[in-house]
Amino acid sequence: AQSVTQLGSHVSVSEGALVLLRCNYSSSVPPYLFWYVQYPNQGLQLLLKYTSAATLVKGINGFEAEFKKSETSFHLTKPSAHMSDAAEYFCAVSDRGNTPLVFGKGTRLSVIA
Amino acid sequence: EPEVTQTPSHQVTQMGQEVILRCVPISNHLYFYWYRQILGQKVEFLVSFYNNEISEKSEIFDDQFSVERPDGSNFTLKIRSTKLEDSAMYFCASADRGPLHFGNGTRLTVT
Repeated sequence: AQSVTQLGSHVSVSEGALVLLRCNYSSSVPPYLFWYVQYPNQGLQLLLKYTSAATLVKGINGFEAEFKKSETSFHLTKPSAHMSDAAEYFCAVSDRGNTPLVFGKGTRLSVIA
Repeated sequence: EPEVTQTPSHQVTQMGQEVILRCVPISNHLYFYWYRQILGQKVEFLVSFYNNEISEKSEIFDDQFSVERPDGSNFTLKIRSTKLEDSAMYFCASADRGPLHFGNGTRLTVT
């Protein structure tokens, strides 16, 4: 069975600073990994996905994530935080493409001016 | 860009009542899902639906829950007799062969 651990329920960064949101996964088979973002009162929007091609995955809004099999990690980064990045971020794993996705508990990102 | 639409955005019901949460998936999608998120907790898989039948369900999806695709556009989740612990945000999602597209959710409050 798959599982996801997101370290830190709340991360706060200054505007312009590096964003690093941590995700570690557990999977008995090569995983598919996803990051979703949830803005207030909205649904889950796909940021990026890893499906066994390139280990460094680029997503929308300047985010990227690197799949590291040896560390079972899929951390999300952005070089320079923007106020509009404030949201809840969810890491998710699947062993068969999209279904069923197993989500982490989420990390709330705050960006301070 | 096409999107998944959920109605209502907020539903308040009394314990023991039946509720139906409605979703309109993206029109050319074939795979449909319900997830829920209890306040402060993980987003949890409930059920997936393909070719007019349930393809997978979690242990949360017990006999109180059912799903239906009554016509070519709607996908509904019914909770037969709501309990206090059913209070959560319920997300519908759809997919073709790519990533899931989620709706904005229905917040269900059971009093």
